[in-house]
Amino acid sequence: DAGVIQSPRHEVTEMGQEVTLRCKPISGHDYLFWYRQTMMRGLELLIYFNNNVPIDDSGMPEDRFSAKMPNASFSTLKIQPSEPRDSAVYFCASSLRGLPGQFFGPGTRLTVL
Amino acid sequence: DQQVKQNSPSLSVQEGRISILNCDYTNSMFDYFLWYKKYPAEGPTFLISISSIKDKNEDGRFTVFLNKSAKHLSLHIVPSQPGDSAVYFCAASLDTNAGKSTFGDGTTLTVKP
Repeated sequence: DAGVIQSPRHEVTEMGQEVTLRCKPISGHDYLFWYRQTMMRGLELLIYFNNNVPIDDSGMPEDRFSAKMPNASFSTLKIQPSEPRDSAVYFCASSLRGLPGQFFGPGTRLTVL
Repeated sequence: DQQVKQNSPSLSVQEGRISILNCDYTNSMFDYFLWYKKYPAEGPTFLISISSIKDKNEDGRFTVFLNKSAKHLSLHIVPSQPGDSAVYFCAASLDTNAGKSTFGDGTTLTVKP
């Protein structure tokens, strides 16, 4: 398996623009997580899905952020409109109940100017 | 309220010696504990986990110890190798070791040749 795939790897955009981050989890995994990593706040969970259903979105900072998982092999995290404080590395991870640990993608480095 | 704390931001050890990374938690309901390793420009990689019913789990050079009464866990790496130089994250989970986890801020380990 290729592991968790994220695209794009780098994104530079201007304030006010819409940003869409994409994730393909490992085939067969039933959990999918979106994280954000910053120097100030460390690695924080934004939202996670179980069997494509959002379970906990309490980490989503505000209404500008939304996430979807239309099927077991694809998820998106959208920021609209983007702001400079959204600049961070966004990780997607997947896991399988019964096996330990989450498998992380390489991350998307987002810069909002 | 930070439920998982790694109080040492960095640790430096000599190659061949033991590395001990520490982690404290506050929520007594945590049931699974995990360690991840992260290299620059990559996502975290699952390393080893331990269930709350155990006090020790070993995998090659890596051993995790859990002290539930003290709400403390530690990761021992013996012997340490330069390739172990990375950021190590401690994480804790409530109901499954594949589900939602709360991460510490990480400890940067440097192993000197």
